[in-house]
Amino acid sequence: DVQLVEPGGHLVQPGGSLRLSCTVSGFTFSSYAMDWVRQAPGKGLEWISYISNTSSSIYYADSVKGRFTISRDNAKNSLYLQMNSLRAEDTALYYCVREGRGQQLIWGQGTLVIVSS
Amino acid sequence: QSALTQPASVSGSPGQSITISCTGTSRDIGGYKYVSWYQQHPGKVPKLIIYEVSNRPSGVSNRFSGFKSGNTASLTISGLQAEDEADYYCASYTNTRSLVFGGGTRLTVL
Repeated sequence: DVQLVEPGGHLVQPGGSLRLSCTVSGFTFSSYAMDWVRQAPGKGLEWISYISNTSSSIYYADSVKGRFTISRDNAKNSLYLQMNSLRAEDTALYYCVREGRGQQLIWGQGTLVIVSS
Repeated sequence: QSALTQPASVSGSPGQSITISCTGTSRDIGGYKYVSWYQQHPGKVPKLIIYEVSNRPSGVSNRFSGFKSGNTASLTISGLQAEDEADYYCASYTNTRSLVFGGGTRLTVL
């Protein structure tokens, strides 16, 4: 079974930093591009970052560019999102997403990030 | 990148068919063959129901179908069932290699 696991929930103060992780199993991680997508409470889906399978291509949404950094470790089957200068509007459920052929997005369970003082 | 445009809500009675539209531009939907659709029940993870405009993953009912014309994609659900009540999102690649989602459509089965 394909599994993408983002552990825990997080509470961080405005201006703070946080590193999200996603550990995968059930497929060859190094063969797939990955994304982070978030969903604010009661809102729709927002794509925030993409990384190719070899990390050679990386893209960000304007809303997080310069503050967030996506990375991966294929040897550890893990995807990461370093989030700096966090704002209240970054409060959301953050999903780790596998990109399959033809835009087949497979989603993890998500991890809740709350930015509040 | 602006979100793709979906109706906020649609409704239908059991057994009926409904269609959800998803409108973009030539820089996203109109420029690529990759449009996908996701179903999200409250408190649940989005589930892939359509990819590459009109393909269904294994295990997804053939009551779900997708189509694209120009800058607009659409999802049709035929033979509505109570379990179809959920939020539906479309997605497309863009010319800057980002992903863009629609704002979501709440389907109510009357």
